Amino acid sequence: QSALTQPASVSGSPGQSIAISCTGTSSDVGGYNFVSWYQQHPGKAPKLMIYDVSNRPSGVSDRFSGSKSGNTASLTISGLQAEDEAVYYCVSYTGSSTPVLFGGGTKLTVL
Amino acid sequence: QVQLQESGPGLVKSSETLSLTCGVSGYSISRGYYWGWIRQPPGKGLEWIGSIFHSGRTYYNSPLKSRVTISVDTARNQFSLKLTSVTAADTAVYYCARLPHCTSRTACYDGGRYLDYWGQGALVTVSS
Repeated sequence: QSALTQPASVSGSPGQSIAISCTGTSSDVGGYNFVSWYQQHPGKAPKLMIYDVSNRPSGVSDRFSGSKSGNTASLTISGLQAEDEAVYYCVSYTGSSTPVLFGGGTKLTVL
Repeated sequence: QVQLQESGPGLVKSSETLSLTCGVSGYSISRGYYWGWIRQPPGKGLEWIGSIFHSGRTYYNSPLKSRVTISVDTARNQFSLKLTSVTAADTAVYYCARLPHCTSRTACYDGGRYLDYWGQGALVTVSS
């Protein structure tokens, strides 16, 4: 299975909103409501930000939200802050013998 | 609080076997969930290696399947990764993580739905 497709980079100014897309197929993103998003700062372990398309774990800011339409999922960050600058990865469940599929990652730059 | 900690040699010779262990505290592996390994080559993205259930049921990423073995030791509350015949391409930070797989008592999705707790990562360098 090929990796999920994410844009290599996105950018935005403080206070703005941005969206990061994650495109898969009907066998992964489109087939299950099990898309998750992770934030990774340099030298740190990834941190879960969204699970099951749109659920936020306890402690994650409500500035982060997730959605899905067809084979494409999206992570939206509103009210951008400098601390949001990081690489974001999407993951989808696939239901196959390789059940966990990562996206290639998107570097978010806060201008 | 669930905590995971990777341990093992930081340097492995080419063609030999990479071995890492993930110790879990704050949660008993025997209670459930899948437990997995993920790696990240320097400057690159994340790659799922595989997941294991406390029963020993495993799922592996297809490109690595012939070289990977993940095992679990419920008595020591830890799980392990072995990757054989390593090359420079296997140089990476290796993470362990917990993967919830059920949405209810009757709806479970083998291999894991997402990764909620992660270890801090362990850099393994393959030398020639």
